[in-house]
Amino acid sequence: DAKTTQPNSMESNEEEPVHLPCNHSTISGTDYIHWYRQLPSQGPEYVIHGLTSNVNNRMASLAIAEDRKSSTLILHRATLRDAAVYYCILSGPQGGSEKLVFGKGTKLTVNP
Amino acid sequence: EAGVAQSPRYKIIEKRQSVAFWCNPISGHATLYWYQQILGQGPKLLIQFQNNGVVDDSQLPKDRFSAERLKGVDSTLKIQPAKLEDSAVYLCASSSGTGWYYGYTFGSGTRLTVV
Repeated sequence: DAKTTQPNSMESNEEEPVHLPCNHSTISGTDYIHWYRQLPSQGPEYVIHGLTSNVNNRMASLAIAEDRKSSTLILHRATLRDAAVYYCILSGPQGGSEKLVFGKGTKLTVNP
Repeated sequence: EAGVAQSPRYKIIEKRQSVAFWCNPISGHATLYWYQQILGQGPKLLIQFQNNGVVDDSQLPKDRFSAERLKGVDSTLKIQPAKLEDSAVYLCASSSGTGWYYGYTFGSGTRLTVV
């Protein structure tokens, strides 16, 4: 019962930017948009999260649409180590959204 | 800081046997979660602890699965008896407070194969 929609897979070339989209048309006003990624044979790893404004950290940038019904995770220069499954998750303090509910995510392949 | 520790890393058992997994969260993290990840799917929450109390176990198959978190630190997840469909990776995660704000840190998981 994930509340987000992501493409099943995407491909990128090494050292090029990657834009991973996520649709969440039923987002509530208190839901944060979270991104986690899961490298092969590892547990999910936190990438970034935001509420309304765009966010940047050392790993990625998160661009949030003005109506908050969609967002995009931006990897500025993909490396082979960025090949992973990327999960977009809504979670917040209300309405049963307190826990992370994972969908199937987007499998990112990075070509050398 | 040290990450979330899980053991064993791999386990193979026969159906109807029992198995236990261990998790040591990040020091000071009050909230602990167990997730089950079947191949090709995203992780599914089984149980959430706040300190040593259960907050949510609505998705835990209680006829065969049990979990405890004594003293609010380490946690164990047990399956007895195991079924073939329990083959999955069992992930432990912890959070310093409300996970939706502070984020979760996951361990590398225990891969269980039931034959």
